[in-house]
Amino acid sequence: GENVEQHPSTLSVQEGDSAVIKCTYSDSASNYFPWYKQELGKGPQLIIDIRSNVGEKKDQRIAVTLNKTAKHFSLHITETQPEDSAVYFCAAMGGSQGNLIFGKGTKLSVKP
Amino acid sequence: NAGVMQNPRHLVRRRGQEARLRCSPMKGHSHVYWYRQLPEEGLKFMVYLQKENIIDESGMPKERFSAEFPKEGPSILRIQQVVRGDSAAYFCASSLTTVLGGNTEAFFGQGTRLTVV
Repeated sequence: GENVEQHPSTLSVQEGDSAVIKCTYSDSASNYFPWYKQELGKGPQLIIDIRSNVGEKKDQRIAVTLNKTAKHFSLHITETQPEDSAVYFCAAMGGSQGNLIFGKGTKLSVKP
Repeated sequence: NAGVMQNPRHLVRRRGQEARLRCSPMKGHSHVYWYRQLPEEGLKFMVYLQKENIIDESGMPKERFSAEFPKEGPSILRIQQVVRGDSAAYFCASSLTTVLGGNTEAFFGQGTRLTVV
């Protein structure tokens, strides 16, 4: 089945800097890759997603890139703000499974 | 349009009791997924249901755990004879159609935090 690895597990940046989180997946048939943001005590919130027919997608300060050949995808947050501090999860879906498989999460801290 | 609603938000059970967690998907959504999250860890898939059918239960423990999504009413995750190791946050997500190959997303509820004492 699918296996998703996520790095780093913790990331600390200064306000205004960029943050990059990387994930790799194992199932070459996976074709959908969402990113979720989870704040303390809350459920995961979908922030951006990408499907295998595109290589990059951008939404304001957030962008995601996908390299299908290498089987990895990344989240890029530019001009970080303290409210970006949260745990971010990548996930993959596709192949024979109809459910999302998640990475272990990255705790992002943005210092003012 | 309300989001995915889970209740209760917090549930305390003594060892050996039963826990019933409810999930009402977003309006019009017929696909429901349950995940378990331990403190400081990621989300582990448990079960995927479509109205009245279990599609994939590969992440469900073989004993004590069951799930259903009846034609009418919320999806229920049931844990019988709870043990301390069942303490976790349980999240439900729903999607309009199958996310697999489709143009739809999965949206999560706020979770139920189960504590077994």
